[in-house]
Formats: sequence, C-alpha cells, structure tokens
Amino acid sequence: DAGITQSPRYKITETGRQVTLMCHQTWSHSYMFWYRQDLGHGLRLIYYSAAADITDKGEVSDGYVVSRSKTENFPLTLESATRSQTSVYFCASSEGLAGTDTQYFGPGTRLTVL
Amino acid sequence: GESVGLHLPTLSVQEGDNSIINCAYSNSASDYFIWYKQESGKGPQFIIDIRSNMDKRQGQRVTVLLNKTVKHLSLQIAATQPGDSAVYFCPTSMDSNYQLIWGAGTKLIIKP
Repeated sequence: DAGITQSPRYKITETGRQVTLMCHQTWSHSYMFWYRQDLGHGLRLIYYSAAADITDKGEVSDGYVVSRSKTENFPLTLESATRSQTSVYFCASSEGLAGTDTQYFGPGTRLTVL
Repeated sequence: GESVGLHLPTLSVQEGDNSIINCAYSNSASDYFIWYKQESGKGPQFIIDIRSNMDKRQGQRVTVLLNKTVKHLSLQIAATQPGDSAVYFCPTSMDSNYQLIWGAGTKLIIKP
C-alpha cells in the first residue's frame, strides 16, 4: 500500500541535460499535480492532469513537459535543465478538483542543476 | 487578483501551550478550505478541512475556524507538542478550482 511515490528522491544533473521525474499513485485518483517548492516558499503549480491524456499548464510550466498515458503515472520532464530549476519537486493526487478535494503528496524529489 | 496571505511567517510557542495560526484569503467564491502540515523534508499532509457552510470544525487537538465575513481562517492546535513543529499552509483555490494558491506558510516552532 504505497500510496504515492516519487523517483528518484535525489538527483544532480548538469545544465542542458534532460531529466525525468517519476510519479506513481496506487489510488486511481483522477487528478494529479506537479509542484515545485523553492527554499522558504510555498508550492507553485507546474502542471496538472484531470485524467489520462488530459493535462494542462500551471503557474510555472515553461521548460517542463508532462505526459499521462496511464492513470497511475504522471512523469515530469525537464527538456533542457537550467540552474533556476533547482528545487524540490512534489507530485500530488486527488479524487476531485484541487479546490474541492484533499491532495495527497509524495515525498518529493530534490533536484540540483549544476 | 486573488491572493492568499498568512499573517505571521514564524510562530514560536511553548510546549504545552495552545497555538493559533491565521490565514487570510481573497477568493469570495472559495467554498472548501484545507490546512496542510509540512514537516521538514516531507511533502505536505492533510490536517483538517472545512466547508463554507460551517464556522468551526474540530479534529484531534486541532480546530479550524472560518469567518467568511472577513475571509479569515484560523487553525488552533491544543497542547502543542514537539511533533507539531512544521510549516502550516492554507492554500485556496482560484476561480476555476483547478489550481491552488499556496502562500509561504507559517513556521511553527515549539520551545521546550
């Protein structure tokens, strides 16, 4: 009964490289979300998905790409990593809309871009 | 535009005392509110929620109060314990309900 998992938990990469962060949930929740959290700040939405094959941009989507071919998986790709993308990334899922239902968060991936 | 604000970025309380964390919101259409707790190195986790047809909701050692007139939420933690040390968030929805706006949170520090 894993709930929601993220991998890797820690990643160091170099500027310009492509990086993919994985997110997997076992609840069959319809909605999934990717957030980034910079030191001392709240969470900012990168992308969200209402169902398989339905995704939409959030507040800070530039430089990121997502896909959702299966309900349980929601990978986030940084196409060409930049230092400004150094952050902690959280994946979340919920049964309903963000404003109407509880979100359940993964443990986070700490990404460092050198 | 919409905004979410927290009155105090850091709150220090003595162990055993009660804690009150405040939150202001500006979206009048919001009808569901959640408090999340984020411990160091972890993702946020649900503490308690309240819908707009309620003024107060109690959980185990936590109470949320909602004042829709002044668009204000508060989280009360009774008999604060070291395990309550965390950052507390009260994100609220934008008009579409697809996105939440998270403020910086309030860091609760427990003094022994």
